[in-house]
Amino acid sequence: DAKTTQPNSMESNEEEPVHLPCNHSTISGTDYIHWYRQLPSQGPEYVIHGLTSNVNNRMASLAIAEDRKSSTLILHRATLRDAAVYYCTDTGAGSYQLTFGKGTKLSVIP
Amino acid sequence: KAGVTQTPRYLIKTRGQQVTLSCSPISGHRSVSWYQQTPGQGLQFLFEYFSETQRNKGNFPGRFSGRQFSNSRSEMNVSTLELGDSALYLCASSLAPTGQGRGYTFGSGTRLTVV
Repeated sequence: DAKTTQPNSMESNEEEPVHLPCNHSTISGTDYIHWYRQLPSQGPEYVIHGLTSNVNNRMASLAIAEDRKSSTLILHRATLRDAAVYYCTDTGAGSYQLTFGKGTKLSVIP
Repeated sequence: KAGVTQTPRYLIKTRGQQVTLSCSPISGHRSVSWYQQTPGQGLQFLFEYFSETQRNKGNFPGRFSGRQFSNSRSEMNVSTLELGDSALYLCASSLAPTGQGRGYTFGSGTRLTVV
């Protein structure tokens, strides 16, 4: 199974940018990188995904290292509603499952 | 559009009983997956269905089973419940397997407590 490593927790001040790192130690060339987040008492929520190039959407940006062994989820202006556990994962072509690690618990300080 | 709907939201069962959980995916989504979430083990993959066929199964005992109907709705069943089966059970749906670059949409889950 794919294995990712993330810091257990991070803190950010409200309205500041947040960079959440992830290491993808076993990623292969065709694996997509996905990020999800889970707010308290809810199921995980899809945030963003990418293959090789950096990606932007309305929620966040995803920066992927050239060797693809690391990725960074960027929240441009953290809000209190962004306080959640953030999970990164990488999935192979034709994969039918997500393998979640422990994730990073993000706290946002008002 | 409606999201992934899981029923019931909460359930209390006694050891040895069996339970059936239901999941209605987003309209048009044909891939449905199930995950178990516990404080100790985190999020763990149970199984995935596409067009009524189970294509992958996680490392869970045979007491855990599932199925998918022709309208893509899915059910999972746990027989002979054990205390350790207490968990949040999450269903997720997608247009295609996640490895093809598709994200999953998760439901809010069913909280199962076994006493």
